[in-house]
Amino acid sequence: AQTVTQSQPEMSVQEAETVTLSCTYDTSESDYYLFWYKQPPSRQMILVIRQEAYKQQNATENRFSVNFQKAAKSFSLKISDSQLGDAAMYFCAYISGSARQLTFGSGTQLTVLP
Amino acid sequence: GAVVSQHPSWVICKSGTSVKIECRSLDFQATTMFWYRQFPKQSLMLMATSNEGSKATYEQGVEKDKFLINHASLTLSTLTVTSAHPEDSSFYICSAPTLSGRGNIQYFGAGTRLSVL
Repeated sequence: AQTVTQSQPEMSVQEAETVTLSCTYDTSESDYYLFWYKQPPSRQMILVIRQEAYKQQNATENRFSVNFQKAAKSFSLKISDSQLGDAAMYFCAYISGSARQLTFGSGTQLTVLP
Repeated sequence: GAVVSQHPSWVICKSGTSVKIECRSLDFQATTMFWYRQFPKQSLMLMATSNEGSKATYEQGVEKDKFLINHASLTLSTLTVTSAHPEDSSFYICSAPTLSGRGNIQYFGAGTRLSVL
């Protein structure tokens, strides 16, 4: 069974600084996708970034980028120039190419300090 | 991105009553939708997979008679919490996957906070 592990329950970062959230996963599949979702205090789940396993290039979305290490099964999220609005719970998630449901990590609560 | 609408956003009910939560995909068709339950500061726990035109698939430990799911059309799934009790109080979230050329992205409703008195 696939598992997703987020080893940092809480992280904090100073506004305008950079922070990296860690995520590791376990799978025997070769075709899969990885995601970072953000859940702010409103509790609306928002897609931050998506990575296809077959792509070697790390995905980027503005201030958000990932470090995808396929052999190490690691998928970390880097947030640059952190803003107060980035404060949220961040979930790493996995889905295989043939599956329909996501497997979520336990989440990392990010606090942005002014 | 695609939009998933979930209603109501907050409901308070008396113990023993039933509550219906709706999840709609507004700009795409969803043959499958997912229902999650989330406790404070915890991850999403998958309760069941809603399938259009067929029975829902429930995760182990989820009471199917307590949490009734109906996927009536390609854009609507409903979760009915029957004979609700205080321990059913929680945050419920639905999601729907869309392929739309972007590979298995799931879009989430805004969630429903259920408080059972």
